[in-house]
Amino acid sequence: DSGVTQTPKHLITATGQRVTLRCSPRSGDLSVYWYQQSLDQGLQFLIHYYNGEERAKGNILERFSAQQFPDLHSELNLSSLELGDSALYFCASSASGGALNIQYFGAGTRLSVL
Amino acid sequence: GIQVEQSPPDLILQEGANSTLRCNFSDSVNNLQWFHQNPWGQLINLFYIPSGTKQNGRLSATTVATERYSLLYISSSQTTDSGVYFCAVDNYGQNFVFGPGTRLSVLP
Repeated sequence: DSGVTQTPKHLITATGQRVTLRCSPRSGDLSVYWYQQSLDQGLQFLIHYYNGEERAKGNILERFSAQQFPDLHSELNLSSLELGDSALYFCASSASGGALNIQYFGAGTRLSVL
Repeated sequence: GIQVEQSPPDLILQEGANSTLRCNFSDSVNNLQWFHQNPWGQLINLFYIPSGTKQNGRLSATTVATERYSLLYISSSQTTDSGVYFCAVDNYGQNFVFGPGTRLSVLP
């Protein structure tokens, strides 16, 4: 168990809908990262938050947004869903925001858009 | 940005065999981690190894940072070792760049 909790584990929804994925980092970790794993794109970085502030953005669509709350949990919001958004979404946390920190991954949320 | 390559893309072994997985990266890195993604999709940390050599049971890893590659050794493989092995690197402290993975199948 990595100590990173993601909910829900599975999500099935329809095109055009909006969903929210939740991540609770390991106790004491200030950084949260979101990644998307799809069959054709592999594992790709979406966004990084450190202590409530956005630190870096990757290949995140404008339809997607995220935030990190004062209790350090994070939510990834996906809207106007398309079939191609079906993927495994991972959250990771690390102690701080630097490159020297180990990232620990949650079990992921499997999103299926029908 | 930094590029990460892994080889081989696929590997099939008999139980008990040894294997070496390779990760090449295009720039200097401050962080390199190896992960095992099991058949249920979970990403499990294996090693944090930006340089040097580490061992954990039947697994060991070596990173030669000056030559921009890392190796993951699996000895006496077991069926539970099956899955996809990823290396991921970070050079700017912002995010990981993952390689495409090596899919390992260990046959009984």
